[in-house]
Amino acid sequence: ELKVEQNPLFLSMQEGKNYTIYCNYSTTSDRLYWYRQDPGKSLESLFVLLSNGAVKQEGRLMASLDTKARLSTLHITAAVHDLSATYFCAVSSNYGGSQGNLIFGKGTKLSVKP
Amino acid sequence: SQTIHQWPATLVQPVGSPLSLECTVEGTSNPNLYWYRQAAGRGLQLLFYSVGIGQISSEVPQNLSASRPQDRQFILSSKKLLLSDSGFYLCAWSVATNSPLHFGNGTRLTVT
Repeated sequence: ELKVEQNPLFLSMQEGKNYTIYCNYSTTSDRLYWYRQDPGKSLESLFVLLSNGAVKQEGRLMASLDTKARLSTLHITAAVHDLSATYFCAVSSNYGGSQGNLIFGKGTKLSVKP
Repeated sequence: SQTIHQWPATLVQPVGSPLSLECTVEGTSNPNLYWYRQAAGRGLQLLFYSVGIGQISSEVPQNLSASRPQDRQFILSSKKLLLSDSGFYLCAWSVATNSPLHFGNGTRLTVT
């Protein structure tokens, strides 16, 4: 069974600081996704990582994937208040009835304070 | 462009009452469709997915069911709601398996 673990689950940052969110998964997977969720809202797709060593950047967010370590990171550079949200990683399951469907981590609730 | 509609946005229902949540997708054909549930303070749990009309796969056994009567319509139902059914229900679609998910705005269900 594929398990996806994120840490930390809660993160309080000061504006201007850097930090990294980690996403570990338990079995081989083809791809990894990062989503953002604002309070009370739906999920918005941020990144899709398709291969080992893949790195994608959008503004102050950069995501990377190490398939050998089964690890993805979401790095935040010089945080601003607008980045406050919950960030989810999701991994594509290669096995059984859920093949190809996404298994989500519990999310990292990020709060950026002035 | 593709859009996904989900309704209602909020719903308060008593225990034991039935449930019907509807989701429709526009601008694409034969999408994969999904129902997820997000309990308070928790991650997303895949409930059902469908790769075609009448094809429903259930991930978690429970008192919920799903149907896909038309290509771009996905319905989540229950005959009798439980307190534990409270949560934020999200419908999503993708062009194919392993493609990114596009989520609807969600339905916040409170069972009282």
